[in-house]
Amino acid sequence: DAMVIQNPRYQVTQFGKPVTLSCSQTLNHNVMYWYQQKSSQAPKLLFHYYDKDFNNEADTPDNFQSRRPNTSFCFLDIRSPGLGDAAMYLCATSRGLARGSREQFFGPGTRLTVL
Amino acid sequence: ELKVEQNPLFLSMQEGKNYTIYCNYSTTSDRLYWYRQDPGKSLESLFVLLSNGAVKQEGRLMASLDTKARLSTLHITAAVHDLSATYFCAVDMRRGGSEKLVFGKGTKLTVNP
Repeated sequence: DAMVIQNPRYQVTQFGKPVTLSCSQTLNHNVMYWYQQKSSQAPKLLFHYYDKDFNNEADTPDNFQSRRPNTSFCFLDIRSPGLGDAAMYLCATSRGLARGSREQFFGPGTRLTVL
Repeated sequence: ELKVEQNPLFLSMQEGKNYTIYCNYSTTSDRLYWYRQDPGKSLESLFVLLSNGAVKQEGRLMASLDTKARLSTLHITAAVHDLSATYFCAVDMRRGGSEKLVFGKGTKLTVNP
């Protein structure tokens, strides 16, 4: 089945130790999104890629970076995690407006704990 | 800037009762989504509402969209315990060739036996 996969599902890191979260998709979608969802809050968009074009949200901290080496994979890098970065990180994909459907498909999420 | 307001934020219901969750948004949009989220899980898509007057139903849940009033509702009929979850509405804000979803704060629904 075509799907959005996130690895790992649970990640524990130490304060200040860089961490990378992974998202892959078999949907061949053009757009890949990263959301941060803190406990009892709504998901908040960090950034997204439309093909190779990177679109950062204005209020996303510099501590968060992303890479998309090919259509299928997208990574979220947190350079120096702080306690406030503990959250669920959700990856989503969509075809993009030019290809009709804009509906986003969400992966299962990675729960990040910062010690 | 698009703002999305949901109410209530917390809802405790008895099984068998009916209730409505409201989602208001501040600027024009032609697309609204409802998601369900169970604790520790990702978002599950419930409904995509594409036009004014759209109504969709799935089981005990029915969603509607009034784009003129900038209002969507999620109506729960004869609630059962399995519906306990957090429900989010999200409004599509176009950004170039892709979209940005702006989420409401969510409604945490608890259905009591």
